[in-house]
Amino acid sequence: GENVEQHPSTLSVQEGDSAVIKCTYSDSASNYFPWYKQELGKRPQLIIDIRSNVGEKKDQRIAVTLNKTAKHFSLHITETQPEDSAVYFCAASPGYSSASKIIFGSGTRLSIRP
Amino acid sequence: SAVISQKPSRDICQRGTSLTIQCQVDSQVTMMFWYRQQPGQSLTLIATANQGSEATYESGFVIDKFPISRPNLTFSTLTVSNMSPEDSSIYLCSVQPQGTDTQYFGPGTRLTVL
Repeated sequence: GENVEQHPSTLSVQEGDSAVIKCTYSDSASNYFPWYKQELGKRPQLIIDIRSNVGEKKDQRIAVTLNKTAKHFSLHITETQPEDSAVYFCAASPGYSSASKIIFGSGTRLSIRP
Repeated sequence: SAVISQKPSRDICQRGTSLTIQCQVDSQVTMMFWYRQQPGQSLTLIATANQGSEATYESGFVIDKFPISRPNLTFSTLTVSNMSPEDSSIYLCSVQPQGTDTQYFGPGTRLTVL
């Protein structure tokens, strides 16, 4: 089955700097890669996703890159702000046309230093 | 995205008892899932709630411990049976609208077993 590894487990960056979170996956059948943000005491919220036919996707200060050959994908947050402090989860799935099961990484706790 | 509610939002239970958690969504969805999130951990899929048939359980989770109902396309329940302190966790339902890859999460149920 699919296995998703996520690094680092904790990340502290100065406000205004960039943050990068990296994930690897094992199942070559995975073709959908969402990223969720979970603030303390709240539900996970989808912030961006990417499909295997795309190498990069950007939404304002957030971008995700995918290297399907190497089975790597990454989340990039630029110009970090205090409200970016949260736990971020990457995930992988074969997509809705298949089993649809999403497997989550272990999470990265991001702290933004003022 | 779908509007998802869960009841109860939290509960404190005695060991050996059972608790049923409800998940309601405001539109018909094909796929519904139940996850467990232990303190400080990632999300672990318990089972896929199938409408009109038995749920599909992940490795390590069994129907006798976590019976699931899915009577229609907008509602599901998860029961945590014969609880022990190790069952203390947050239980979340998620839905995946038809024809999409994306899962949206309910607000979660925080369960404490004494």
